[in-house]
Amino acid sequence: QKEVEQNSGPLSVPEGAIASLNCTYSDRGSQSFFWYRQYSGKSPELIMFIYSNGDKEDGRFTAQLNKASQYVSLLIRDSQPSDSATYLCAGGGGGYQKVTFGIGTKLQVIP
Amino acid sequence: DVKVTQSSRYLVKRTGEKVFLECVQDMDHENMFWYRQDPGLGLRLIYFSYDVKMKEKGDIPEGYSVSREKKERFSLILESASTNQTSMYLCASSSPPLTTGNEQFFGPGTRLTVL
Repeated sequence: QKEVEQNSGPLSVPEGAIASLNCTYSDRGSQSFFWYRQYSGKSPELIMFIYSNGDKEDGRFTAQLNKASQYVSLLIRDSQPSDSATYLCAGGGGGYQKVTFGIGTKLQVIP
Repeated sequence: DVKVTQSSRYLVKRTGEKVFLECVQDMDHENMFWYRQDPGLGLRLIYFSYDVKMKEKGDIPEGYSVSREKKERFSLILESASTNQTSMYLCASSSPPLTTGNEQFFGPGTRLTVL
């Protein structure tokens, strides 16, 4: 069973701080990793994708991938109350068409 | 604007009923997925389809079947609904190959309650 593990939280950070969300995966064959954001009562939407070891930055978001240690992280700089949501980590690839999702980490940004 | 639509937002059925959940996408995507989302368990894949009439089991296919007769439409069928199938059901679509980062677009979800 391929697994993607996340701490369910909640993770509380003050407004303006850096939020750090982490994820580990068990399948060494996984090649692609995704971070989805899901607001309460809404569907997930993609915010970051990472394929290569290292960092990938997009605005206030930075995704980090370390394949040797099998972890993925998402950093949110200058956190805003509007960032309060559940963040889902997903991994897949290696020839598969599907991904495996973690349970999601609930982030609360305190004004 | 890309869109994945699901036939119902809320559905209430009785134990033993046959239930159809419909999903339609307008993005000409090859891949379509059905998930269920439960508190503490996250998103779990039930079935997916990578082409018309093609399907593969996901992680929890028991008690479910699917149908994909047309590229834009993917149906989830509960042959005999049970109370443990009460859940939020999410449909998604994407274009292959997944490894290049093509995202999955999700529908709004159907909250199914089985009494």
